[in-house]
Amino acid sequence: SAVISQKPSRDICQRGTSLTIQCQVDSQVTMMFWYRQQPGQSLTLIATANQGSEATYESGFVIDKFPISRPNLTFSTLTVSNMSPEDSSIYLCSVESPHTYNEQFFGPGTRLTVL
Amino acid sequence: AQKITQTQPGMFVQEKEAVTLDCTYDTSDPSYGLFWYKQPSSGEMIFLIYQGSYDQQNATEGRYSLNFQKARKSANLVISASQLGDSAMYFCAMREVLSGAGSYQLTFGKGTKLSVIP
Repeated sequence: SAVISQKPSRDICQRGTSLTIQCQVDSQVTMMFWYRQQPGQSLTLIATANQGSEATYESGFVIDKFPISRPNLTFSTLTVSNMSPEDSSIYLCSVESPHTYNEQFFGPGTRLTVL
Repeated sequence: AQKITQTQPGMFVQEKEAVTLDCTYDTSDPSYGLFWYKQPSSGEMIFLIYQGSYDQQNATEGRYSLNFQKARKSANLVISASQLGDSAMYFCAMREVLSGAGSYQLTFGKGTKLSVIP
């Protein structure tokens, strides 16, 4: 299985500021995914990040609000920009298994609270 | 229409008993995969089991098994011999091959909160 780490694990931020979340994988993967889980809700895909190309955003999510970097095959960042209390969520990084298509793993998540 | 439907917001099960968590799905893609995840209160998403649309047999992983009924488009998770540590949210998810996009994303249901009673 892939081991995924995220930093920070949690943060409390002020309205109007930005936070960058890091995702590190212990093996090279083609695609990395960023999900958001609002309180008491299910997971929603924000964007798909491929190394060497622009991230692909889902409906309702825009690059200006959630810029993503993917500098190499083991690392990605998601920035939550100009935060508001509605951005309070768990943000999760996810990757497909580098060895088999039938597993997809998640990082431990970043629990964000915006005041 | 929702792609993944989990009709049980909450379930209770006695310790050591078996429990079935329901999941139905909707897709026109002939090739898809179904996943189940466990999310404890800590927030991490733990991969449990996978069923491919072309798999002939139901998937099993230890105490977890998937009751896959393709014609009914259902993929229910069965947990045998429930343990107190099984108390968590359980999410069903589907991955479709998006025609022309070449990407594989998971679509999640709303989840079922399972509580195991001692």
